[in-house]
Amino acid sequence: GENVEQHPSTLSVQEGDSAVIKCTYSDSASNYFPWYKQELGKRPQLIIDIRSNVGEKKDQRIAVTLNKTAKHFSLHITETQPEDSAVYFCAASKGYKLSFGAGTTVTVRA
Amino acid sequence: GAGVSQSPRYKVAKRGQDVALRCDPISGHVSLFWYQQALGQGPEFLTYFQNEAQLDKSGLPSDRFFAERPEGSVSTLKIQRTQQEDSAVYLCASSSSHGTDTQYFGPGTRLTVL
Repeated sequence: GENVEQHPSTLSVQEGDSAVIKCTYSDSASNYFPWYKQELGKRPQLIIDIRSNVGEKKDQRIAVTLNKTAKHFSLHITETQPEDSAVYFCAASKGYKLSFGAGTTVTVRA
Repeated sequence: GAGVSQSPRYKVAKRGQDVALRCDPISGHVSLFWYQQALGQGPEFLTYFQNEAQLDKSGLPSDRFFAERPEGSVSTLKIQRTQQEDSAVYLCASSSSHGTDTQYFGPGTRLTVL
């Protein structure tokens, strides 16, 4: 089955700086890559997703890039704010079954 | 509109007890998923329904786990003879049509088995 690895496991950034989280996947047939944000005790919330027919997608301060050849994709958050502090999960899918990474705990220092 | 809801939010069970966890998907959503999230880990797929049909149950850890969605809306995940290793957050998600659409998650049920 699909195996998704996510790095780093923790990330501390100064407010206003950028944060980058990287994920790799094993199944070259995967074609859908969502990113979820989960605050402590809350539900995972979709923040951005990308399908394999595009290489990059941006939504305000958040962007995702996909390299199908290398089988990796990344989340970029610019101008980080304290409310960006949370656990972020990447996932990969070739159908309905999402395979998640282990998560990255992002802390934004004021 | 209302999102995915789950109940109870917290459940404490003694080892050996049976539990039932409920999921109310977004109204009209055809696809429903259950995931298990261990502490400090990402969610792991358990099972998938399209309407009332359980199309994939490959992620259920043992035959003590059973899920149903008899009328194609509300779903129940049942765990029989709970064990300590069943302690986790159980997340439900739904999507509007086919399973490849965006999945919207509920808040989860935190199960603690003593």
